[in-house]
Amino acid sequence: GQQLNQSPQSMFIQEGEDVSMNCTSSSIFNTWLWYKQDPGEGPVLLIALYKAGELTSNGRLTAQFGITRKDSFLNISASIPSDVGIYFCAGQDSNYQLIWGAGTKLIIKP
Amino acid sequence: NAGVMQNPRHLVRRRGQEARLRCSPMKGHSHVYWYRQLPEEGLKFMVYLQKENIIDESGMPKERFSAEFPKEGPSILRIQQVVRGDSAAYFCASSGQDSSYEQYFGPGTRLTVT
Repeated sequence: GQQLNQSPQSMFIQEGEDVSMNCTSSSIFNTWLWYKQDPGEGPVLLIALYKAGELTSNGRLTAQFGITRKDSFLNISASIPSDVGIYFCAGQDSNYQLIWGAGTKLIIKP
Repeated sequence: NAGVMQNPRHLVRRRGQEARLRCSPMKGHSHVYWYRQLPEEGLKFMVYLQKENIIDESGMPKERFSAEFPKEGPSILRIQQVVRGDSAAYFCASSGQDSSYEQYFGPGTRLTVT
């Protein structure tokens, strides 16, 4: 079946640093989505990508849909304390199902 | 608040009891999806419904689990004769007809089976 590899699994960063995480797939996706989940809450959609090569920004967040359609990355610039949480990538093929990565846990060092 | 609503937020059941989880989609959305999440893991698809129709239930266990989305009222995920392994967070998402790729999630129901 389809699999998504998301890395890194966790990140310890200093406030103000830039953050980068990515997802790779064994198969092609038509859509890539990036979500953030805070403890005890549901995932919140951050960015949706629909075309190979597409680069989209949402404030300090930037995400790209890889040319091969098998990967995507998310960058966060100048991290702040409220960026803490778990970030998930999700890919969607011709079906409507979302295939989820295992998440990247972002922790900001005090 | 026009977001996806789920209730209850927390549900405790003894083994063998039934659990009913409710989801009201975002206003204007007619597609509902249920996911299950174990601690430290991503979400796993369970079932996709439109009003009065189950479109895909390939992620749902064959026994004890059922879902519905009636013409009126919320979508219901029902788990009969719960076992400890059913303990998890269950999330509902909804999407509009023209944006089925963008799924918006509710806050989840945390089910604990004792």
